[in-house]
Amino acid sequence: GAVVSQHPSRVICKSGTSVKIECRSLDFQATTMFWYRQFPKKSLMLMATSNEGSKATYEQGVEKDKFLINHASLTLSTLTVTSAHPEDSSFYICSARATAGVNEQFFGPGTRLTVL
Amino acid sequence: GNSVTQMEGPVTLSEEAFLTINCTYTATGYPSLFWYVQYPGEGLQLLLKATKADDKGSNKGFEATYRKETTSFHLEKGSVQVSDSAVYFCALTTSTGNTPLVFGKGTRLSVIA
Repeated sequence: GAVVSQHPSRVICKSGTSVKIECRSLDFQATTMFWYRQFPKKSLMLMATSNEGSKATYEQGVEKDKFLINHASLTLSTLTVTSAHPEDSSFYICSARATAGVNEQFFGPGTRLTVL
Repeated sequence: GNSVTQMEGPVTLSEEAFLTINCTYTATGYPSLFWYVQYPGEGLQLLLKATKADDKGSNKGFEATYRKETTSFHLEKGSVQVSDSAVYFCALTTSTGNTPLVFGKGTRLSVIA
């Protein structure tokens, strides 16, 4: 089956630092990747949609300068939380959709970010 | 627009009890329907799916039937186990392009021995 990995799985950082989270599709090419944020005991909130080689499309209310998304290849997308603050602490989950014709999204295991 | 409504949790059941988690949807076109499961501290895993009306998705003893007439995709399991304790998300998509999955709010299930 299709596998999506995320790295790191957990990260603790000081307020004001930037954190990069990687999302990789291991055995398929993903033209589209999605980044979600999940607060404790809540559903997933879509942050942005990224397509390989183009700028990400951000959902309303998500700061694009705060959450930088890069989708440089068909197997890698990165989310950088810039100048992180405690309110950015959350569980970040990426998802990848394979090339045309498949409507299933495959999810990574998530990254728990804690900002002190 | 597209939306998914699922029953509010938490749901607490005894081991071997019957489980139903209701899910209804609103969509333009002909959506594909999914159930995802999230175990504590983990990401989402696809549990089952159905791509057209009257299809039944099944996996690990869980089943859901795509009912177009009632716009529903209720999740059922005949006998739950403690290991089924997790959060269950109903979701849909109507596109193979850039459109992401639309999720329900999730239903937390706790199964006690």
